[in-house]
Amino acid sequence: EAGVAQSPRYKIIEKRQSVAFWCNPISGHATLYWYQQILGQGPKLLIQFQNNGVVDDSQLPKDRFSAERLKGVDSTLKIQPAKLEDSAVYLCASTPGRGAYNEQFFGPGTRLTVL
Amino acid sequence: AQKITQTQPGMFVQEKEAVTLDCTYDTSDPSYGLFWYKQPSSGEMIFLIYQGSYDQQNATEGRYSLNFQKARKSANLVISASQLGDSAMYFCAMRPETGANSKLTFGKGITLSVRP
Repeated sequence: EAGVAQSPRYKIIEKRQSVAFWCNPISGHATLYWYQQILGQGPKLLIQFQNNGVVDDSQLPKDRFSAERLKGVDSTLKIQPAKLEDSAVYLCASTPGRGAYNEQFFGPGTRLTVL
Repeated sequence: AQKITQTQPGMFVQEKEAVTLDCTYDTSDPSYGLFWYKQPSSGEMIFLIYQGSYDQQNATEGRYSLNFQKARKSANLVISASQLGDSAMYFCAMRPETGANSKLTFGKGITLSVRP
């Protein structure tokens, strides 16, 4: 079974530029998550999708971040314009459902550096 | 709201010895799940073990076991017979079992280094 795929793995941009990340979850997984992990901290949830609907985006900085999951499969996360504090690893995860015991399977992450 | 606390500084253990990584949590939810993840330097998050709040027995998965003390709100990870490949960051996390948005909350992690 293929795991969660993310691209690109690394991205370097200058502040005020735009960037987009892509995630393809495990086939059949209804729930998809985007996390931001700043160096030295644990991952922080940015947005959670159930199929193609948003379940939780309370910690997503909506003035600059946006995400979509068209057709309930793969997803893109966009930052426009980027700030220095957006430098982090962006992790995508998926689970079959929303129950408490649903192990989240994580992708390898995209490491973003904003100069 | 949920909170996970991991306060240990970087941990060191000799190869083949056991090590305990501490985790305390706070929640008002009556039912919840506790998780441990490993994050090697390559960056991926690897699921290790799960403990449900109503589970009567402590969870075990191979060399990993979870020392769950509900009254003290602690969920410490025990790694037995440490291996060099265990060197990584370890994150404790929790998620409530009720509610539509079952969000996973992570601690800030603990660095484990295994010495040969």
